[in-house]
Amino acid sequence: AQTVTQSQPEMSVQEAETVTLSCTYDTSESDYYLFWYKQPPSRQMILVIRQEAYKQQNATENRFSVNFQKAAKSFSLKISDSQLGDAAMYFCAYRLYNTDKLIFGTGTRLQVFP
Amino acid sequence: NAGVMQNPRHLVRRRGQEARLRCSPMKGHSHVYWYRQLPEEGLKFMVYLQKENIIDESGMPKERFSAEFPKEGPSILRIQQVVRGDSAAYFCASSPGDRRSSGANVLTFGAGSRLTVL
Repeated sequence: AQTVTQSQPEMSVQEAETVTLSCTYDTSESDYYLFWYKQPPSRQMILVIRQEAYKQQNATENRFSVNFQKAAKSFSLKISDSQLGDAAMYFCAYRLYNTDKLIFGTGTRLQVFP
Repeated sequence: NAGVMQNPRHLVRRRGQEARLRCSPMKGHSHVYWYRQLPEEGLKFMVYLQKENIIDESGMPKERFSAEFPKEGPSILRIQQVVRGDSAAYFCASSPGDRRSSGANVLTFGAGSRLTVL
């Protein structure tokens, strides 16, 4: 069975600094997608970034980028130039290519200090 | 495009009552998913539906929980005889379903419905 592990329950970062959130997953499949979702206090789940497993190039969305290490089954999220609005819970998620079911990690709470 | 609409946002029920949560998918989306988030935990898959069809209910508790997505109207998650352990945030997500679409592998989530059982 596929599992997603986020080993950092909480992280903090100073405004304008860079922070990296860790995620590892376990799967025997080769075709899948990986996602990072942000959940602010409003509880809305917001897609931050996604990565197709067949792509070697790391995905980037403005200040958000990933370090995808397929062999190591690692998918970390880097937030550059952190802003106060980045404070939220961040969830890593896995989805097998031919299914529609997302498997989530337990989340990392990110605090941003001015 | 109004996005995925869930209602109610907050629902309070006493033990033994029924809870009904509604979800209207994004326009053009024909696939609906329900997830449950217990306090301080990640989202756990419950059920995946298409119009008039349950595709995958492997995450649904065997008793008291049911879901439907009728031909007309929203998807409904129904919890009968609620217990305190049912208190959680219930999220609905939708997708186009057509794998030829570039958005087929991205789920769009609603804002969730928070159920509190007294």
